[in-house]
Amino acid sequence: EAGVVQSPRYKIIEKKQPVAFWCNPISGHNTLYWYRQNLGQGPELLIRYENEEAVDDSQLPKDRFSAERLKGVDSTLKIQPAELGDSAVYLCASSPGGSTLYRETQYFGPGTRLLVL
Amino acid sequence: KNEVEQSPQNLTAQEGEFITINCSYSVGISALHWLQQHPGGGIVSLFMLSSGKKKHGRLIATINIQEKHSSLHITASHPRDSAVYICASYSGGGADGLTFGKGTHLIIQP
Repeated sequence: EAGVVQSPRYKIIEKKQPVAFWCNPISGHNTLYWYRQNLGQGPELLIRYENEEAVDDSQLPKDRFSAERLKGVDSTLKIQPAELGDSAVYLCASSPGGSTLYRETQYFGPGTRLLVL
Repeated sequence: KNEVEQSPQNLTAQEGEFITINCSYSVGISALHWLQQHPGGGIVSLFMLSSGKKKHGRLIATINIQEKHSSLHITASHPRDSAVYICASYSGGGADGLTFGKGTHLIIQP
């Protein structure tokens, strides 16, 4: 069974440029998470989807970040315009859904390492 | 606001040693997760527990709800166990999701 797929794995851009990350969760997983992980820190949740609905986006900086999961399968996270402080690893995870919130195993993708110059 | 603290931050040990990594949280929880992150970023979920103890191979996770504390133990440690170990707790209520610790960087030397 294929795991969570993310692309690209690495991205280097100049500040003020746009950037997009793509995630394809494990087949059949209804819940999808986007996390940001700064160097030396644990991940922090940006947004959680249940199918195509964003049910927790309280920590997504909405002035420059947007996300979509139009058909409830794959998802895209966008930053426009990027700032120096956005340099981090962006992780996507999925879980089957249907269980008690945050009491099921999350499966993580390899992440996208973003460097903003 | 829930806060998660891990100790030690860094740990170097010899192959075969018994390893303990500690995690304390400030708010009563619904679930606590232990995860492993290898160089290059990949994160693997090791355990989810809400009470008691769980064991998988050489890994054991325990939790004390009253003391708001969890431990991850590794028996007969091996160099391939070298990784960052992260605990994350969920206090309930839906918002903000898991609160992650900063991780414990473990190196097992041959």
